[in-house]
Amino acid sequence: DIQMTQSPSSLSASVGDRVTITCRASQSISNYLNWYQQRPGKAPKLLIYGASSLQSGVPSRFSGSGSGTDFTLTISSLQPEDFATYSCQQTYTFWTFGQGTRVEIK
Amino acid sequence: EVQLVESGGGLVQPGGSLRLSCAGYGFRFTSYWMTWVRQAPGKGLEWVANIKQDGSEKYYVESVKGRFTISRDNAEKSLYLQMNSLRAEDTAVYYCATVAWDSSGWYRVESWGQGTLVTVSS
Repeated sequence: DIQMTQSPSSLSASVGDRVTITCRASQSISNYLNWYQQRPGKAPKLLIYGASSLQSGVPSRFSGSGSGTDFTLTISSLQPEDFATYSCQQTYTFWTFGQGTRVEIK
Repeated sequence: EVQLVESGGGLVQPGGSLRLSCAGYGFRFTSYWMTWVRQAPGKGLEWVANIKQDGSEKYYVESVKGRFTISRDNAEKSLYLQMNSLRAEDTAVYYCATVAWDSSGWYRVESWGQGTLVTVSS
């Protein structure tokens, strides 16, 4: 199985901050990597697919990069509605998710 | 607008069975792979199973193989998850979702239901 490890597990940030979340795969997954946002009590929402493609309707402050084993989700200027948990997912073979990164208000 | 409505969750004893259903509205059901993803209380997301548009291909996470069966009824625009031999560790919110795919081979979980809670406890 391919393991996905996110870091950090949680972070505190202020509105307007630039936030970076990292996801590492236990083996190369090319660019078969997606990012989701989940607010408390809600279903996840797709943000980024194919490591760097922005899902339709998602604000451009969200961006993704990486290939192989190391990936990054960046929020360029954190907004109040962005405080949530972010999870990566590999779809290279079967599917696995990272454990999630909780973004909290500082 | 895509809408997915899950039902069938509840409290079940260890070793018991439960069948989840998911009704799809507002999209061409036959065009999509479908998936079940679960989330244990306070934990991360876990993929459970996928099914192809015509039901000819099915894939499962190792921990549910032989116990869970994914199926679909395209005429009814419905997705199902039959869960047998349930264990405490199967306790989770179960989400039904559509799987988008494009020519680049990028699969992603695009539209999600609201989830249904399954609790396995005596």
